[in-house]
Amino acid sequence: QVQLQESGPGLVKPSQTLSLTCTVSGGSISSGGYYWSWIRQHPGKGLEWIGYIYYSGSTYYNPSLKSRVTISVDTSKNQFSLKLSSVTAADTAVYYCARSDILTGYTIDYWGQGTLVTVSS
Amino acid sequence: QSALTQPASVSGSPGQSITISCTGTSSDVGGYNYVSWYQQHPGKAPKLMIYEVSNRPSGVSNRFSGSKSGNTASLTISGLQAEDEADYYCSSYTSSSTEVFGGGTKLTVL
Repeated sequence: QVQLQESGPGLVKPSQTLSLTCTVSGGSISSGGYYWSWIRQHPGKGLEWIGYIYYSGSTYYNPSLKSRVTISVDTSKNQFSLKLSSVTAADTAVYYCARSDILTGYTIDYWGQGTLVTVSS
Repeated sequence: QSALTQPASVSGSPGQSITISCTGTSSDVGGYNYVSWYQQHPGKAPKLMIYEVSNRPSGVSNRFSGSKSGNTASLTISGLQAEDEADYYCSSYTSSSTEVFGGGTKLTVL
């Protein structure tokens, strides 16, 4: 059973960079067949896809966030990470990491529990 | 990319059936059979209910079904139960190799 766990600061100051890591257990990121995703949900709002990465490092980002987002992967630690620069209060959200299955059209079949990141001074 | 369009809310009585629509474009919903549906209860992570338009993952009740016509996908829940009350989101693969979600639909079981 694949499990994903987000970790990182719960409070980030405006203009700084939000950094989160997702640790994957129960499966290897390097095994292929999956993209590793970040999704966020503003308080009381809907889901917003941020981007995903393949174990090889290939990435795709939401065009609306692309200028500020970097997703990276560390296969040796079975982790992938999100960096979002120049944050504002509008970036306050629950951030989820997830697995997207390529064979089923990038269906998100496993989700982390989510972590709330608040942007405030 | 614009979010897929879903009704903000739907409701139904126990035992009834409801349908939630998800409208996109030919660059996402209409262009691929890669539409998924997720159920989210308050404070919880979303759960996959339907993938590839109409496939159910193991363990998901057969009361949940999906379909697509043109640029609009639909999720139907039959035999509504109290536990079905939740938010539902559609998502689709896009021609830019990205994903896009719908705005979400709040299902109320009366």
